[in-house]
Amino acid sequence: DQQVKQNSPSLSVQEGRISILNCDYTNSMFDYFLWYKKYPAEGPTFLISISSIKDKNEDGRFTVFLNKSAKHLSLHIVPSQPGDSAVYFCAASASYGGSQGNLIFGKGTKLSVKP
Amino acid sequence: EPEVTQTPSHQVTQMGQEVILRCVPISNHLYFYWYRQILGQKVEFLVSFYNNEISEKSEIFDDQFSVERPDGSNFTLKIRSTKLEDSAMYFCASSEVREQYFGPGTRLTVT
Repeated sequence: DQQVKQNSPSLSVQEGRISILNCDYTNSMFDYFLWYKKYPAEGPTFLISISSIKDKNEDGRFTVFLNKSAKHLSLHIVPSQPGDSAVYFCAASASYGGSQGNLIFGKGTKLSVKP
Repeated sequence: EPEVTQTPSHQVTQMGQEVILRCVPISNHLYFYWYRQILGQKVEFLVSFYNNEISEKSEIFDDQFSVERPDGSNFTLKIRSTKLEDSAMYFCASSEVREQYFGPGTRLTVT
């Protein structure tokens, strides 16, 4: 039951260019979406989030876009740097009854930024 | 910058033994979580904890698992009788609102 899908297992980008990571979801009850970055043998590091009432959120080089009708979100990294090379996870949650909502993760996309 | 810490970083145990994984959440956070990631698979939710009780748990979190906040700072996950398939990275997370911050994880190896 893949409620959150990241269909590209890997992405390779040249330093300085834009990286676009995509994520699709199926559960219309999701109301909050997050992107995490993860290095091997470390925990996920929170990058940026977006509420379902918005369609864009920007933080420095990172921008997340949400298209609710298509149940699609994307993370844009501009400009990409070699230090951005990691696995990026999309996650979604649905709050209800006072619960903050547990996270449902995608399988991740491995980003490689080449100098 | 405040961070979630976890101990130990690696735990090796024999099948059938009890293990306790420890976490210190970020101090002003009120919501606590455990997740796990089996090698090569997704990060999966186990349990969430708020106001000294479980608020939500997944199908994975069966009677072999329990969580506790024994004092004002620690949050623990106990596996009563470990199985080979419990081998995974276990991540603790905490949140003030919707953004969850993760610890570095404990690698549990059951032999």
